[in-house]
Amino acid sequence: DADVTQTPRNRITKTGKRIMLECSQTKGHDRMYWYRQDPGLGLRLIYYSFDVKDINKGEISDGYSVSRQAQAKFSLSLESAIPNQTALYFCATSVPGQEPETQYFGPGTRLLVL
Amino acid sequence: AQKITQTQPGMFVQEKEAVTLDCTYDTSDPSYGLFWYKQPSSGEMIFLIYQGSYDQQNATEGRYSLNFQKARKSANLVISASQLGDSAMYFCAMREGAGGTSYGKLTFGQGTILTVHP
Repeated sequence: DADVTQTPRNRITKTGKRIMLECSQTKGHDRMYWYRQDPGLGLRLIYYSFDVKDINKGEISDGYSVSRQAQAKFSLSLESAIPNQTALYFCATSVPGQEPETQYFGPGTRLLVL
Repeated sequence: AQKITQTQPGMFVQEKEAVTLDCTYDTSDPSYGLFWYKQPSSGEMIFLIYQGSYDQQNATEGRYSLNFQKARKSANLVISASQLGDSAMYFCAMREGAGGTSYGKLTFGQGTILTVHP
């Protein structure tokens, strides 16, 4: 089984709809991240969480919210989806204090907002 | 200002030859780490190699090596003996601050698409 899983893997939705992307990990890592990937822009950080009680905004958090339900679960919500949120979304995990602090990525969720 | 710059949108290499993918970075933090990830057409992100700012030697991992030139703020990825399976998007990324204090956040470059010809 994969260490970091994302559901759904693909999603098509309409403008204005609420959508949730879920991430689960079995690595036991404290830190979790949400990124989005757009062509020509690389990956950009949306939100990150150091533990269940610690959630922080990243570079592009507007229009998104997150929930850390447990150490192993970190969900990303689009409250009212818009077309420019069409992207490939990645969840990642890492463990602090480990050098290097490598991030391990899930397989990604392809989201299309019509 | 861009913290990580990959100036090569696309690169081509003949199978079995070596190729260098460029990455320059910008930081005033004396402690940082540089990562390279591979993204095949299937989409997953695969960690390849890491270089810490205080590492005295260039990092190597099998056919991957990192040409780290600190004064020039460059961290180029060298792939030796290219294989068809190396065709993918490659991302350079930087983490500022040391391990446990850095919050682990990565800043990514735009990526370089590598195509290996038979």
